[in-house]
Amino acid sequence: ETGVTQSPTHLIKTRGQQVTLRCSSQSGHNTVSWYQQALGQGPQFIFQYYREEENGRGNFPPRFSGLQFPNYSSELNVNALELDDSALYLCASSLPFGGSHEQFFGPGTRLTVL
Amino acid sequence: GESVGLHLPTLSVQEGDNSIINCAYSNSASDYFIWYKQESGKGPQFIIDIRSNMDKRQGQRVTVLLNKTVKHLSLQIAATQPGDSAVYFCAGRGSTLGRLYFGRGTQLTVWP
Repeated sequence: ETGVTQSPTHLIKTRGQQVTLRCSSQSGHNTVSWYQQALGQGPQFIFQYYREEENGRGNFPPRFSGLQFPNYSSELNVNALELDDSALYLCASSLPFGGSHEQFFGPGTRLTVL
Repeated sequence: GESVGLHLPTLSVQEGDNSIINCAYSNSASDYFIWYKQESGKGPQFIIDIRSNMDKRQGQRVTVLLNKTVKHLSLQIAATQPGDSAVYFCAGRGSTLGRLYFGRGTQLTVWP
């Protein structure tokens, strides 16, 4: 058990709606990364948060945004949902880059956009 | 950018046999290469990693080989068990931010 939790487990939305996904990092981990995993594909990096600020971003549009809170938990927000946003969204927590390299993944949130 | 991919989408082996899962990468900027196991309904689970300046690392029943000349990575699983059935991903870790670059994955099925 990694200790990283995500909620909700599953979510169904329609095009144009907005969604918020949540992640609680493993105890002691202050860095959270979010990944999108489409069916049959490997996870793709969305962005990373460290000390409540975005610390790097992958090739995702601005309608993907996030937050990190003082307790290191994090949210992923997606506005104006599109059908292609249907995927498993994973969060991973770790120590700051430069320390342990291991990222611990949560079980993910399965988002379906109709 | 970084690109990490696998040679085969599926691999079937008999219980007790050894398994070899291969991976090729296109960019040498990663400082670590990591193998993850993902079971149905779960997030990726760390198996083993190798620093980019090494060519072999062994763990419990697993060995990772890195050939930087041909940009190739492999995961060897000894005495494969039914519990090893899962999708296996290789990932490169970016050397500046620590972001992971994943390939598509190989579905390993172990038959009794």
